[in-house]
Amino acid sequence: NAGVTQTPKFRVLKTGQSMTLLCAQDMNHEYMYWYRQDPGMGLRLIHYSVGEGTTAKGEVPDGYNVSRLKKQNFLLGLESAAPSQTSVYFCATKGQPSYNEQFFGPGTRLTVL
Amino acid sequence: GQQLNQSPQSMFIQEGEDVSMNCTSSSIFNTWLWYKQDPGEGPVLLIALYKAGELTSNGRLTAQFGITRKDSFLNISASIPSDVGIYFCAGLSGSGNTGKLIFGQGTTLQVKP
Repeated sequence: NAGVTQTPKFRVLKTGQSMTLLCAQDMNHEYMYWYRQDPGMGLRLIHYSVGEGTTAKGEVPDGYNVSRLKKQNFLLGLESAAPSQTSVYFCATKGQPSYNEQFFGPGTRLTVL
Repeated sequence: GQQLNQSPQSMFIQEGEDVSMNCTSSSIFNTWLWYKQDPGEGPVLLIALYKAGELTSNGRLTAQFGITRKDSFLNISASIPSDVGIYFCAGLSGSGNTGKLIFGQGTTLQVKP
């Protein structure tokens, strides 16, 4: 089992470019989350999904879009990247509603110039 | 919105020393979680707390759910070099089954052999 994987691991973009980050999980979890991690600020929730075909906004959703067309995949899109979106992005998944542990992927380091 | 204040921000200790860190909030949380993040990796769950006043251990780690439900503490006894990393507290946010977590800013731990 690979658990939670993220693609790519690193990416450099120019301002205004677009890209999609892929999160894939093989744990059959219903819940998936996208976070960004910035120095001194912990992890902040961007968007999340409680099941296939559903998405919802988190704490810092502006400038990002997401899609959950398949249960195992959660995509995070940046339509027009800005330097403020330079960050490390983590995907996480969770199984049953009553079980609160989130399992994290290894992260994607994104730099926007 | 809900916020968690985690302290200290960083610690530099000698191997063998005990470590204490805490998390406080102005809001009540019904679940507290403690995660550790190794360099270049995603966070991994250390301890989960579900009841006010609960004291839970995991090896050399002990965590407590504050009686007011607005704080939590993590202690590491007899630190070793592999304890190095960033420790995050997280509180389960809101009602329902979204599983949304609010993270503290993190405590960076460095251990000198």
